[in-house]
Amino acid sequence: DQQVKQNSPSLSVQEGRISILNCDYTNSMFDYFLWYKKYPAEGPTFLISISSIKDKNEDGRFTVFLNKSAKHLSLHIVPSQPGDSAVYFCAASYNDMRFGAGTRLTVKP
Amino acid sequence: SQTIHQWPATLVQPVGSPLSLECTVEGTSNPNLYWYRQAAGRGLQLLFYSVGIGQISSEVPQNLSASRPQDRQFILSSKKLLLSDSGFYLCAWSVRGNSPLHFGNGTRLTVT
Repeated sequence: DQQVKQNSPSLSVQEGRISILNCDYTNSMFDYFLWYKKYPAEGPTFLISISSIKDKNEDGRFTVFLNKSAKHLSLHIVPSQPGDSAVYFCAASYNDMRFGAGTRLTVKP
Repeated sequence: SQTIHQWPATLVQPVGSPLSLECTVEGTSNPNLYWYRQAAGRGLQLLFYSVGIGQISSEVPQNLSASRPQDRQFILSSKKLLLSDSGFYLCAWSVRGNSPLHFGNGTRLTVT
């Protein structure tokens, strides 16, 4: 039962360009959405979140967009830096939190 | 500040042996507690979550169980490990309501 889906397993972008990571969900009860960054052999680290009452939240180089009608959210990273290379998980929450399968972002110098 | 401790960091166990992974949280009271598993090349699968002492919700019926004997202690157990139990196990906590989960550093379990 995959309620949160990240259909792109990997993404490669050039340093300085925009990275766009996408996520779709199926459960309309989700009311809180998050993005996490994960390095190998470590736990995920919280990046940014958005409540269902908003459609955009920005924090420095990171912006999350929410389209409730399409049940879609995205994470924009501008400008991308080599240190952003990691696996990014989107998550959605109602009573508990569900995660997507992750997208591996590689930012090339 | 709040911290989460999860141990051990790595574990190699034979098939059929028992398992006990422990997680403790400091600096907060009455947290929500979670166990997730990340299988090789896959996402984070929710295994158990708890909103209070003795209150455990199981998401996936399998060879594992969880217990919360104290407010800030969450234990993942198995009586007999299977090869398919291998993976990266993550404990996490959150406060009530819409809030981020904060993860421990995980336990890499290899069942041989």
